[in-house]
Amino acid sequence: DSGVTQTPKHLITATGQRVTLRCSPRSGDLSVYWYQQSLDQGLQFLIQYYNGEERAKGNILERFSAQQFPDLHSELNLSSLELGDSALYFCASSVVGRASGNTIYFGEGSWLTVV
Amino acid sequence: AQSVAQPEDQVNVAEGNPLTVKCTYSVSGNPYLFWYVQYPNRGLQFLLKYITGDNLVKGSYGFEAEFNKSQTSFHLKKPSALVSDSALYFCAVRDGGSSNTGKLIFGQGTTLQVKP
Repeated sequence: DSGVTQTPKHLITATGQRVTLRCSPRSGDLSVYWYQQSLDQGLQFLIQYYNGEERAKGNILERFSAQQFPDLHSELNLSSLELGDSALYFCASSVVGRASGNTIYFGEGSWLTVV
Repeated sequence: AQSVAQPEDQVNVAEGNPLTVKCTYSVSGNPYLFWYVQYPNRGLQFLLKYITGDNLVKGSYGFEAEFNKSQTSFHLKKPSALVSDSALYFCAVRDGGSSNTGKLIFGQGTTLQVKP
């Protein structure tokens, strides 16, 4: 158990709908990262938050947004869903939000299927 | 720009034989290098990391990795493979470039298949 908790584990939704993925970081971790894993794209970095502030943005679509709350949990909102958004979405956390030897731990992921 | 390459999509090895999964990197500044493993339908599990010091790093499940600065490589190794080692392995580097976000930059992954 990495200590990073993601919900839901699985969800199936229709095209055009909106879903919210939730992540609770490890205790004491201030930085949260979101990644998308699909068969054809590998592991793609989406967005990073550090202590409530956006720290870095990657290949995140405009239809997607995220935030980190004062209690440090984070949510990834995916809207106007398309079939191509079907993927495994990972949340990860670490103590610091800069390059260091500090380990980044991952949750089990949320499997999203868009039908 | 920071980057990581895993030149092999798949590595096949017989159980009991040594295994190597290759990784090369390109970074500016200190390389903080990591290996993660993903078992089928599971999340990413941390295996080991290189920060500084000894070039041979030992990690979980009997895995180790050798850091080679001159060859900019960080190959994952295990002396004797198990069928249960069959999984998808990712090499990664922390982003320490101009933005210094610390996010992980991953290689494309290598599928390890260990046959009985």
